[in-house]
Amino acid sequence: SQTIHQWPATLVQPVGSPLSLECTVEGTSNPNLYWYRQAAGRGLQLLFYSVGIGQISSEVPQNLSASRPQDRQFILSSKKLLLSDSGFYLCAWSTDRGYNEQFFGPGTRLTVL
Amino acid sequence: AQKVTQAQTEISVVEKEDVTLDCVYETRDTTYYLFWYKQPPSGELVFLIRRNSFDEQNEISGRYSWNFQKSTSSFNFTITASQVVDSAVYFCALYSGSARQLTFGSGTQLTVLP
Repeated sequence: SQTIHQWPATLVQPVGSPLSLECTVEGTSNPNLYWYRQAAGRGLQLLFYSVGIGQISSEVPQNLSASRPQDRQFILSSKKLLLSDSGFYLCAWSTDRGYNEQFFGPGTRLTVL
Repeated sequence: AQKVTQAQTEISVVEKEDVTLDCVYETRDTTYYLFWYKQPPSGELVFLIRRNSFDEQNEISGRYSWNFQKSTSSFNFTITASQVVDSAVYFCALYSGSARQLTFGSGTQLTVLP
């Protein structure tokens, strides 16, 4: 069966510090991968998606970036965090671009102080 | 552009009551897919159901049922005999080829009181 992992589970970072969130998927090959942000407990916003290694599409301009160094690894990064980057970050995978359901990881709660 | 509206921000019911969560969607595509997800307090989104635009049959899964009506662009979710464990935020979502991304509604916070 497929499993999706995210770490860390929680993170508190000062403004201006770097960020690296990691997501890995087990039990499937060549998944489509997604990063979402959920602010204030509602409303999921798609940040990035990837259909393959090194292929990243950005949906929202921001100071975040994403990378996919391996087939089942997806990383969300920032060089300098802003207060507005606080939120709940969810990684998800699917077998295709979106016609089929997406499966979500446990999420990372980021607080920027 | 596509849009999903969940007009009910919060709903509170007493255990064993039935509750319906509303979802209205907008899309210009004739082929599209509708989803419901549950987000318990732990935060992880749990997939509940997927429905394509050509299948208007209602679906029942245990205490859960879904009513898809293309005529009113609605995909409502009913929980029968609610339980405290049903307390969560429920999201309706839409995918269509023209938008090429999953669009979520703002969610409905359901609280089931003992």
